[in-house]
Formats: sequence, C-alpha cells, structure tokens
Amino acid sequence: SQQGEEDPQALSIQEGENATMNCSYKTSINNLQWYRQNSGRGLVHLILIRSNEREKHSGRLRVTLDTSKKSSSLLITASRAADTASYFCAIPSGGYQKVTFGIGTKLQVIP
Amino acid sequence: NAGVTQTPKFQVLKTGQSMTLQCAQDMNHEYMSWYRQDPGMGLRLIHYSVGAGITDQGEVPNGYNVSRSTTEDFPLRLLSAAPSQTSVYFCASRRVGDTQYFGPGTRLTVL
Repeated sequence: SQQGEEDPQALSIQEGENATMNCSYKTSINNLQWYRQNSGRGLVHLILIRSNEREKHSGRLRVTLDTSKKSSSLLITASRAADTASYFCAIPSGGYQKVTFGIGTKLQVIP
Repeated sequence: NAGVTQTPKFQVLKTGQSMTLQCAQDMNHEYMSWYRQDPGMGLRLIHYSVGAGITDQGEVPNGYNVSRSTTEDFPLRLLSAAPSQTSVYFCASRRVGDTQYFGPGTRLTVL
C-alpha cells in the first residue's frame, strides 16, 4: 500500500491565489519529497525536506513538515496558470530503501 | 550528464509477448527503481535495487522481472504481457537519502 496520502485530490483556484496541498504518511521517515507532473509528462522534483527540518522554501514554494503529526504541506503562493499540474509527495519506506508515492493532488489554476 | 534515460519511448505489444524496458543512469547512483503509472493515478513501485546485484520487490511486482548487473543499468522485463500491464513506466535513480531523478517514461500498450 502507498505510504503517502495527498489531500485534497483535486483543487481549482484562480490565478494569483495560494494553493495548499497536504500529505499524510504512516511510518517514520528520514525525508519527504514533493514532485510536480504536468499532464502527459514526467516527474519534476520540487523540494526535499529532511526529518530534522520544519520548513523549507524554494521560490514561490513553501514546504512544512510535522513529524509528530506525520504530515507535510506544500504551499504555492501567487499561483500562475503554469502551475496547473498534479503534485505528489514521495515517502521513503522499507528501511528508507524504497520510495512510494501517493495518488497526488490535481491542481488547476484558472487564468 | 544524460541523467536517467529510458528506451523505448513508446511500445505496442500483443498479449503474451515479452519485452525488456531499458533504463540507464550516468550519475553513479546506488538506488534505482521502476514505477508504473495508470491514468489518473499516482506511481506504484514495481521493483527497486539498492546496488549492483541486489534487487527487491515493490508494491506491484507480479509479471515483471529485474536484474542489476551494473550500477548504471536496471532493465525491466515483462515476461508475458497482459492488457493489465498497459501503463506508463518510469525509471528513477538516487543516492541514499537524496532526491530521486526520473527518466522520461515509456508508454506501453498491450493489445
């Protein structure tokens, strides 16, 4: 079974608004990764946050990690139409040897 | 660096045929993985490897074989293709505890 579960499964917002996606997981982790996938394309790595980090920024992206709640969130500020994509969290498991994905959050940004 | 390369990009098979999907990386990464992605779904882990000569099963290993004779290559073999194996296949590699890098994917159709 997949380790990460994203919420919501779908999100539709207006351009300029912020988008927040959440990921919950079940086991202890050493890091958590977020990826973006545009329709019909491959996966692009966004941010890796380690278990000893609480927050990480990259441009308009902000990722938080709460290991006590086993959850992470991805915030995209001032969204653009080009942010329309599916977003996945990736969780290491099996002694951190394998990485599994949730089903993702499908984000639509309306111009 | 070429990163992670996959061949072929597209393939059509008939039920019962066998084939090998190729994956190679030139980043000297220890870990390599194969995923499949069905329409509207996340990635499901098929097999993974933590080094040359070492492979293990993921979430959906049935119908697939892998081997890792070198650090660079991690081929995925479909033994007897079935329509249920119609999917997009992604190969990925990473260092221990680090970001995964994905190949561009192979779109497989089994008739």
